[in-house]
Amino acid sequence: EAQVTQNPRYLITVTGKKLTVTCSQNMNHEYMSWYRQDPGLGLRQIYYSMNVEVTDKGDVPEGYKVSRKEKRNFPLILESPSPNQTSLYFCASSFPNAGELFFGEGSRLTVL
Amino acid sequence: EDQVTQSPEALRLQEGESSSLNCSYTVSGLRGLFWYRQDPGKGPEFLFTLYSAGEEKEKERLKATLTKKESFLHITAPKPEDSATYLCAVREDAGGTSYGKLTFGQGTILTVHP
Repeated sequence: EAQVTQNPRYLITVTGKKLTVTCSQNMNHEYMSWYRQDPGLGLRQIYYSMNVEVTDKGDVPEGYKVSRKEKRNFPLILESPSPNQTSLYFCASSFPNAGELFFGEGSRLTVL
Repeated sequence: EDQVTQSPEALRLQEGESSSLNCSYTVSGLRGLFWYRQDPGKGPEFLFTLYSAGEEKEKERLKATLTKKESFLHITAPKPEDSATYLCAVREDAGGTSYGKLTFGQGTILTVHP
């Protein structure tokens, strides 16, 4: 089954404790992206990757890091989480310039 | 700056009561307009892509249309299972084969009562 898998789905952590949200897709997509979704603000892009070893900032990259060492994986790293990073995070993937983005189920992160 | 505005923010309908959701956009060059459906606690699910003014796409009770400045998602005789948040997104034309930026609207929360 074609899917984008994120882990963990739910996480409560404390300020400053480094965490990684993993994302894996099995559709051989070149393009992958991270979004955060907040009430009243919609989906905002954090980082995206056009292919292995090619990443770029989205609209709200501050406080986040990413890496793309393999085509299927695109982890999101929060080196020192802060409460304003409490949000619902989505990973998505697609073929280049394709209209259809495939989204993961989301990871709800709470930073205390 | 690219902008995507959806209206209304929330819409309550009775089962069978047809209506439309609006997505207005400003972008220097449109490379595609996309509609997604999002159920609570789930990731958005792709519905339609529209590329040029006058284009229409249909899927069951949903029909998406596109003009040069806006798109409509028409819902005909909705059922309770159509309740969801509907998201609109536009991709700008970045030139050549570049992957233009995708900008999402804030969504319309649709509730269909039986």
